[in-house]
Amino acid sequence: QSALTQPASVSGSPGQSITISCTGTSSDIGDYNYVSWYQQHPGKAPKLMIYDVTNRPSGVSNRFSGSKSGNTASLTISGLQPEDEADYYCSSYTSSITLVFGGGTKLTVL
Amino acid sequence: QLQLQESGPGLVKPSETLSLTCTVSGDSIRSTRYYWGWIRQPPGKGLEWIETIYYSGSTYYNPSLKSRVTISIDMSKNQFSLRLSSVTAADTAVYYCVTSTFSNFDAFDVWGQGTVVTVSP
Repeated sequence: QSALTQPASVSGSPGQSITISCTGTSSDIGDYNYVSWYQQHPGKAPKLMIYDVTNRPSGVSNRFSGSKSGNTASLTISGLQPEDEADYYCSSYTSSITLVFGGGTKLTVL
Repeated sequence: QLQLQESGPGLVKPSETLSLTCTVSGDSIRSTRYYWGWIRQPPGKGLEWIETIYYSGSTYYNPSLKSRVTISIDMSKNQFSLRLSSVTAADTAVYYCVTSTFSNFDAFDVWGQGTVVTVSP
């Protein structure tokens, strides 16, 4: 299975909004609403930020939102804050009953 | 509160078998709510899903690792385990045990702290 495609890096200034894309195929993102997004700070375990494309776990800021169109899912962070600087990973369920991750995107808050 | 804790050797020799255990606390591993899984992260690289098991014994594997991995559940100890055979330096990584309280196959909201495994002679 091929990894989902994410941009290597994105950046934004405090208060701005950014969007991270995650592109898959019709065998994963395109066919299922089982896309998750994780935030990982250096040396820490990943934290679930979005699941089932649009749902936020309890305790996750509503500045984080998810969406999907065709084979591409997106994570939008509004009102960027310094603590949002981290690596972000998407994942998707696949038609083979497996999971596949994206390569990760490094978010820099300028 | 559901918690996971990995344990196992931090150093494994090439060609040998890596064995890790994840101890579950805060709920029963027999619960029908959870899928239990393993994810790893090589140094400086991204996340890689390894395998998942359901309490019933149903197992799901990353195709690229399927020939070398085994996942099992020990209900008496409230633990589940990973075995990865014929390891090489490419298997050096932080290994996380994970689960989802949303009863999802994915969407892991509970993670262990991670355990570093180095493959070296």
